[in-house]
Amino acid sequence: DTGVSQDPRHKITKRGQNVTFRCDPISEHNRLYWYRQTLGQGPEFLTYFQNEAQLEKSRLLSDRFSAERPKGSFSTLEIQRTEQGDSAMYLCASSLGRGAANEKLFFGSGTQLSVL
Amino acid sequence: AQSVTQPDIHITVSEGASLELRCNYSYGATPYLFWYVQSPGQGLQLLLKYFSGDTLVQGIKGFEAEFKRSQSSFNLRKPSVHWSDAAEYFCAGGAGGTSYGKLTFGQGTILTVHP
Repeated sequence: DTGVSQDPRHKITKRGQNVTFRCDPISEHNRLYWYRQTLGQGPEFLTYFQNEAQLEKSRLLSDRFSAERPKGSFSTLEIQRTEQGDSAMYLCASSLGRGAANEKLFFGSGTQLSVL
Repeated sequence: AQSVTQPDIHITVSEGASLELRCNYSYGATPYLFWYVQSPGQGLQLLLKYFSGDTLVQGIKGFEAEFKRSQSSFNLRKPSVHWSDAAEYFCAGGAGGTSYGKLTFGQGTILTVHP
């Protein structure tokens, strides 16, 4: 168990540029979640995958955001035409996905995005 | 709408003192509830979870929480705080169904521990 890994740890970009983040979940974890956390707030749910299928997306996830999880392994989150309001910590979490009673999310350390 | 509220933004306690962090929830049905801790530069770490059954839940690092349906609360407690407990604490709730990992987090409570 090497934990959930996110790359990069920090990303600084200019407004209008595209950025992509990567998340490597704990091996054998079927579920993968993306959350966003802004300063002084708790994390907010963005989307989640069960294996390679994206099952739910929050209304927070505008058309500029897209997430993939090819082959049910790692996941990427892309933000197109970044805006200053996208500045936040993007958190990834994974879990075994064996029902609510057993659900336990393991979080990565996050990618801190700053849009100038 | 589902919500989780942490009324205290910042709490300061002395090392060795007892601690209670408040959490209130608003859900249509009984949610399952979590407490997470986040240290600077670290990911969120699960302290404990309530799903059903015994309303007093024991967690890691000496923490416990009590689910009180009548008060819609899930407060976190520790009898004696250590300096290493200084961090930000988040209460979170989830609903049943297939989206059970879709959590709603409170705003967080920052804990400062004085020596």
